[in-house]
Amino acid sequence: QVQLVQSGAEVKKPGASVKVSCRASGYTLSNYYMHWVRQAPGQGLEWMGIINPNGGSTTYARQFQGRVTMTRDTATGTGYVELSSLRSEDTAIYYCARSPLSSGWFALVGFDLWGQGTLVTVSS
Amino acid sequence: QSVLTQPPSVSGAPGQRVTISCTGSSSNIGAGYGVHWYQQLPGTAPKLLIYDDNNRPSGVPDRFSASNSGTSASLAITGLQAEDEADFYCQSYDTSLSGWVFGGGTKLTVL
Repeated sequence: QVQLVQSGAEVKKPGASVKVSCRASGYTLSNYYMHWVRQAPGQGLEWMGIINPNGGSTTYARQFQGRVTMTRDTATGTGYVELSSLRSEDTAIYYCARSPLSSGWFALVGFDLWGQGTLVTVSS
Repeated sequence: QSVLTQPPSVSGAPGQRVTISCTGSSSNIGAGYGVHWYQQLPGTAPKLLIYDDNNRPSGVPDRFSASNSGTSASLAITGLQAEDEADFYCQSYDTSLSGWVFGGGTKLTVL
């Protein structure tokens, strides 16, 4: 069925990097933008950035610029987010989500499918 | 501090109607890029509930509706059911930030 399947939980030390994957299943990656959104424990949703699967262009939220890299592998239908210089405040569930290219850059139909989430714990 | 402001919690008895507000500004809701609402059941990923102001994806009951006016939006839930208990988030695009913003979330308790 149509779903986004994310990689498993990670535990990292402060200062390290983490890379989370998100595989598109049941649909073609190239027809949808991929977004990354995180949620700290007990907190709300925070948008991190977007990648266009065609060409790989990215836009990152200002608070993550310089620390985040989003990539994709169209051959495997997989998107990735890498966050560097991890600190305890980066402990969160990281979600991938999609919005249709047909709805335009501004995601006029919202994020219509989400991955199950990947817990990243940053602790010494 | 979220760019979109929601009440932290709302509650209602089964069968009642509740509303959740979402207040933004001219750079997001007021800019006309549409407001979306998500429902997050405990321990699960968010799910799109309403898109582009007041459109329901397939499978979402018509007990859920939304509206917006100027720089604010609201979600209404009628005929409250125990299974509606969840966190709800509003979302829009922000032209000043050049990205998407969410409300802080509202926890709905069904009494």
